[in-house]
Amino acid sequence: DIQMTQSPSTLSASVGDRVTITCRASQSINNWLAWYQQKPGKAPKLLIYRASSLETGVPSRFSGTGSGTEFTLTISSLQPDDFATYFCQQYNSYSPLTFGGGTKVEIK
Amino acid sequence: QLQLKESGSGLVKPSQTLSLTCAVSGGSISSGGYSWSWVRQPPGKGLEWIGSIYQSGDTHYKPSLKSRVTISADRSKNLFSLNLTSTTAADTAVYFCARASGYAYAIYFDHWGQGILVSVSS
Repeated sequence: DIQMTQSPSTLSASVGDRVTITCRASQSINNWLAWYQQKPGKAPKLLIYRASSLETGVPSRFSGTGSGTEFTLTISSLQPDDFATYFCQQYNSYSPLTFGGGTKVEIK
Repeated sequence: QLQLKESGSGLVKPSQTLSLTCAVSGGSISSGGYSWSWVRQPPGKGLEWIGSIYQSGDTHYKPSLKSRVTISADRSKNLFSLNLTSTTAADTAVYFCARASGYAYAIYFDHWGQGILVSVSS
């Protein structure tokens, strides 16, 4: 299976900060990557698919970049509603889909 | 507005079968282009895809779970179900049903149920 490694595992930030989360794949997945936001006790919410496509209704402060094995999720100006855990997920068709371990964004 | 909701037993004895149902409203599981999937999350841990079923009836499962998993659909009731046999404590998790775009392994999840906690314990 393709291993997805997220860093950092925890990130402390303040409202208004620019935040970047990294996801690395153990082999190339082209741009077959999605990002999710999950709040405690809730289901994940799709933010981005195909590495950089913003899901309908997701604020434009969220953006995704990358291809191959390295990807980033950026929040341009962190808002109070953004404190949550973020997961990446690869969906390369040749290998079972897998998720990263998560990055918790907490208040500094 | 598409909604999914899980139901089933929240407590299963070890070695027994875990059975869950996902009721879908606001859309049809017979719609093409989507799969209907199960994903689980052990308490405090990450997400794990279990498997998916398609409008065609095709199913795809995570290989390491394949021998224990069955996903089926009842199109007349617009719901799909998960059966997981020979359970152990390692199967304790919140189980989510979800709609996915794509096919086979190449899917991502755009709508999720609220999740249901299933504990495997005697």
